[in-house]
Amino acid sequence: GAVVSQHPSRVICKSGTSVKIECRSLDFQATTMFWYRQFPKQSLMLMATSNEGSKATYEQGVEKDKFLINHASLTLSTLTVTSAHPEDSSFYICSARDEKVPTDTQYFGPGTRLTVL
Amino acid sequence: EDQVTQSPEALRLQEGESSSLNCSYTVSGLRGLFWYRQDPGKGPEFLFTLYSAGEEKEKERLKATLTKKESFLHITAPKPEDSATYLCAVQPPYRGGATNKLIFGTGTLLAVQP
Repeated sequence: GAVVSQHPSRVICKSGTSVKIECRSLDFQATTMFWYRQFPKQSLMLMATSNEGSKATYEQGVEKDKFLINHASLTLSTLTVTSAHPEDSSFYICSARDEKVPTDTQYFGPGTRLTVL
Repeated sequence: EDQVTQSPEALRLQEGESSSLNCSYTVSGLRGLFWYRQDPGKGPEFLFTLYSAGEEKEKERLKATLTKKESFLHITAPKPEDSATYLCAVQPPYRGGATNKLIFGTGTLLAVQP
């Protein structure tokens, strides 16, 4: 149980294009999902909290217009990196919390490696 | 400011050589402390959640403990397949804004040699 998937696992794009990353909870419903970014040899940094049916909550310093988050259903959240630039190259990981389990444990997806040329 | 510090940054063990990883934190009103394992190029895999000082949890060769200032991940008789980065994360008290937020440490890279 508590499986989270991400698609794609790897993406290479040209500078200036937009990239969409999907995060799905496969066997549970999640009203809240989280998006993290991880640079090489660094820890996970929370970018935003995705709330089903409402606007995402962004962490300080994260540009809302650049990282668009949509949480249209209880099992799917998407992160769109708009007008991507080489400095956006990173490992993006989503997580979700099983609402039916009385703990705050987050289950993580396998991550998406974004490379912007 | 809420902070999480993990030590050592890297640890090399021989197979069967037990050791401990440390996670110290400065969070007032901790709501939970989490341990994850991360393999290269993959997302973190959940190991344990601890909520109160004195609590202990075990899974196979791993045992996590919690005090008011730190947590330890004890690895007993490790095997090469235990090699990974072990991440510690804390959940601070709710202060408005995003709930269920986790603050991660930078991890301990564990290498177990046969």
